[in-house]
Amino acid sequence: DAKTTQPPSMDCAEGRAANLPCNHSTISGNEYVYWYRQIHSQGPQYIIHGLKNNETNEMASLIITEDRKSSTLILPHATLRDTAVYYCIVRVGGYSTLTFGKGTMLLVSP
Amino acid sequence: GAVVSQHPSWVICKSGTSVKIECRSLDFQATTMFWYRQFPKQSLMLMATSNEGSKATYEQGVEKDKFLINHASLTLSTLTVTSAHPEDSSFYICSARPGGSGASPYEQYFGPGTRLTVT
Repeated sequence: DAKTTQPPSMDCAEGRAANLPCNHSTISGNEYVYWYRQIHSQGPQYIIHGLKNNETNEMASLIITEDRKSSTLILPHATLRDTAVYYCIVRVGGYSTLTFGKGTMLLVSP
Repeated sequence: GAVVSQHPSWVICKSGTSVKIECRSLDFQATTMFWYRQFPKQSLMLMATSNEGSKATYEQGVEKDKFLINHASLTLSTLTVTSAHPEDSSFYICSARPGGSGASPYEQYFGPGTRLTVT
């Protein structure tokens, strides 16, 4: 699976949009981009995934660049409960294992 | 939504004893379950993958005789840490992937984790 690069930490004000970037320049054509998050001392939570089109669900939006070498997870109105480590993972389909990198620690402040 | 539970949520044991951690998929059948370990301030590391009714596949560097995994049913997997030592103290997290017709292969649900402290 392709390697991903994320900033180690980001800050966001409550109520503002949080935009979390991820670089995956070696991504292959059959690899998906997944986002999970882990709130302190809890198990990871699935957020969203996509192949090449932008995706949106009740939690977030995923914007994938046209060359698919990078993506951005957008939390439109961040709340204090969104403070967590966010992991961007690239994997082939759904049957390959999820390999977690260091992720981005997002701190949402009042 | 799909729920995965773990029991216990935390456990303290003495060095040399064995500890069993249970992982259950509460509202779906999981043909595949995964066990991860997470040390403080580090990311999750996959330990092993287990398919119901067959032997687990361990990641390189994980001792299969020390970390016994049993996936005897479609809703239950257990991880037993045998002869635990302080260096085994960690946060153990299981994950389950739904199986059967209609299940999406892209979904993987995580349990809340079990904090193991070996004294």
